[in-house]
Amino acid sequence: EAGVAQSPRYKIIEKRQSVAFWCNPISGHATLYWYQQILGQGPKLLIQFQNNGVVDDSQLPKDRFSAERLKGVDSTLKIQPAKLEDSAVYLCASSLTGAYTEAFFGQGTRLTVV
Amino acid sequence: DQQVKQNSPSLSVQEGRISILNCDYTNSMFDYFLWYKKYPAEGPTFLISISSIKDKNEDGRFTVFLNKSAKHLSLHIVPSQPGDSAVYFCAASARGGADGLTFGKGTHLIIQP
Repeated sequence: EAGVAQSPRYKIIEKRQSVAFWCNPISGHATLYWYQQILGQGPKLLIQFQNNGVVDDSQLPKDRFSAERLKGVDSTLKIQPAKLEDSAVYLCASSLTGAYTEAFFGQGTRLTVV
Repeated sequence: DQQVKQNSPSLSVQEGRISILNCDYTNSMFDYFLWYKKYPAEGPTFLISISSIKDKNEDGRFTVFLNKSAKHLSLHIVPSQPGDSAVYFCAASARGGADGLTFGKGTHLIIQP
């Protein structure tokens, strides 16, 4: 079974530029998450989708971050404009719908803002 | 306010001995707890989980214990092997796991030969 796919693996941009990350979840997984992991911290939930609807985006900085999940499958996360403090690993995860199911993570995209 | 706390940033254990990783939480709504293992430059990998209706769950060398009254859980690895060297994250969720995960900061486990 293929895992969660993310691209790119690495990205370096200058502050105030824009960047986009792509995620393809495990086939059949209705729930998709984006997490931000800053160095030395645990992953922090940014947004959760159920199919193509947003379940939770309470921790998403909506003035600069946006995310969409078209057709309930692939998802993109965008940052515009980027700040130095956005340097982090952005992790996508997916899970089956239902109680007590674990989330499976992709390898992540390491973003460096200079 | 950290709702999931892993107070040991690192832990060194001799190969073959038991590794015990600890985690505390503050949110009483959490009812599903998971441990993830992470190697450098990879995403977290699911290890083991436990729901709040249980106090113990075993999977091979890995056992998770949950003490709800103390809001504490622990992961036991017996016997510890060199491949267990990684960062371990404790995570928690509410509503039977329907909510997104809240993670601790992680514990770096080092298995010494």
